[in-house]
Amino acid sequence: AAGVIQSPRHLIKEKRETATLKCYPIPRHDTVYWYQQGPGQDPQFLISFYEKMQSDKGSIPDRFSAQQFSDYHSELNMSSLELGDSALYFCASSFTLGYYGYTFGSGTRLTVV
Amino acid sequence: AQKVTQAQTEISVVEKEDVTLDCVYETRDTTYYLFWYKQPPSGELVFLIRRNSFDEQNEISGRYSWNFQKSTSSFNFTITASQVVDSAVYFCALRTSGSRLTFGEGTQLTVNP
Repeated sequence: AAGVIQSPRHLIKEKRETATLKCYPIPRHDTVYWYQQGPGQDPQFLISFYEKMQSDKGSIPDRFSAQQFSDYHSELNMSSLELGDSALYFCASSFTLGYYGYTFGSGTRLTVV
Repeated sequence: AQKVTQAQTEISVVEKEDVTLDCVYETRDTTYYLFWYKQPPSGELVFLIRRNSFDEQNEISGRYSWNFQKSTSSFNFTITASQVVDSAVYFCALRTSGSRLTFGEGTQLTVNP
């Protein structure tokens, strides 16, 4: 069965650079979520989109932005990267806002040096 | 506000021992969903179980079992006859009226041979 696809799997950037993370949800899933997991921490909710509109917003820095496109894939754009942005970034998708559960991608490991 | 507490930061057992991971949650919502995820060293989040607030029936899946008690706001997870491959971080998570998941801080389980 198709899963949630995230790219790239690993990314190394320097401070103050920009990064773009991509997420391709399971076909027919209409909701996408982004989570950030720092080393030794639990995943923290960043933002979600339902039917291409932002549906919820968590602790996402102003330097980050995201959107969901017409084909339902989503991109998380991160600018002016800081060392503290180094983390594992998960995308998850669901059908109808997660009433039936969520499927997580394998994550993108971002390292800022 | 929603909160999930996993009081056990780390647990170490010897193979074939039974182990219970505790999860206590807080929410004012009457409808909510509880989840358990496994995160092995490779980093992905593996879905284990979803339970809604109206279904207090305990569940068993192979060596895994879950005990949901609304009276104590707990959703504990037991692994019977643990194996080395069970070594991972286990997260309990809560979904309420919003669609985001709130995770506990996780329990690092180490199963020694």
